[in-house]
Amino acid sequence: GAGVSQSPSNKVTEKGKDVELRCDPISGHTALYWYRQSLGQGLEFLIYFQGNSAPDKSGLPSDRFSAERTGGSVSTLTIQRTQQEDSAVYLCASSLGTGRFGGYTFGSGTRLTVV
Amino acid sequence: AQTVTQSQPEMSVQEAETVTLSCTYDTSESDYYLFWYKQPPSRQMILVIRQEAYKQQNATENRFSVNFQKAAKSFSLKISDSQLGDAAMYFCAYSDAGNMLTFGGGTRLMVKP
Repeated sequence: GAGVSQSPSNKVTEKGKDVELRCDPISGHTALYWYRQSLGQGLEFLIYFQGNSAPDKSGLPSDRFSAERTGGSVSTLTIQRTQQEDSAVYLCASSLGTGRFGGYTFGSGTRLTVV
Repeated sequence: AQTVTQSQPEMSVQEAETVTLSCTYDTSESDYYLFWYKQPPSRQMILVIRQEAYKQQNATENRFSVNFQKAAKSFSLKISDSQLGDAAMYFCAYSDAGNMLTFGGGTRLMVKP
């Protein structure tokens, strides 16, 4: 696609429910990143996929968070047993190879509200 | 671990005037990149300008320029001839061989007509 697409744009869920957030990167981009932006804060790195390599999961805050990337394209971030502190905007970005050279393209994010 | 600090939570500038946003970072790496991103209410992060650490010359993109002081680990953004459309959150970010971006906490820029 022309840009990075994220769905849903907004999601309200009840505490304790599981949620799935989707990211569709730019076609051909080998790298995909997930970030979390809490209200009024900067972006916090969650997970990074590069090609067929094992993902860098060092930013995932707990074992309730997981992500997968199927076929080197679409990625899904799953949050199990959601808590109120999970409320945030979840941003996805993709890059062609090494992002710092070629640039990172961000989606418009999913705003997750846990009530 | 690398850290990025933006000490100005909010800044205000009169339309057509110049404003400078501050950013400092900490790293032990010698090869890295620095970025300024703009985030309007649409939430999408838009690249404003990028600086490669090994280049001494400060990057410039139209009305946007940086003052990169490598020894001081400082990377400020200057916006000249400010326009109403410049109003947004601005984030300073860092990237090295690890490839992911490390962001500062952001500065909210308000532009007064």
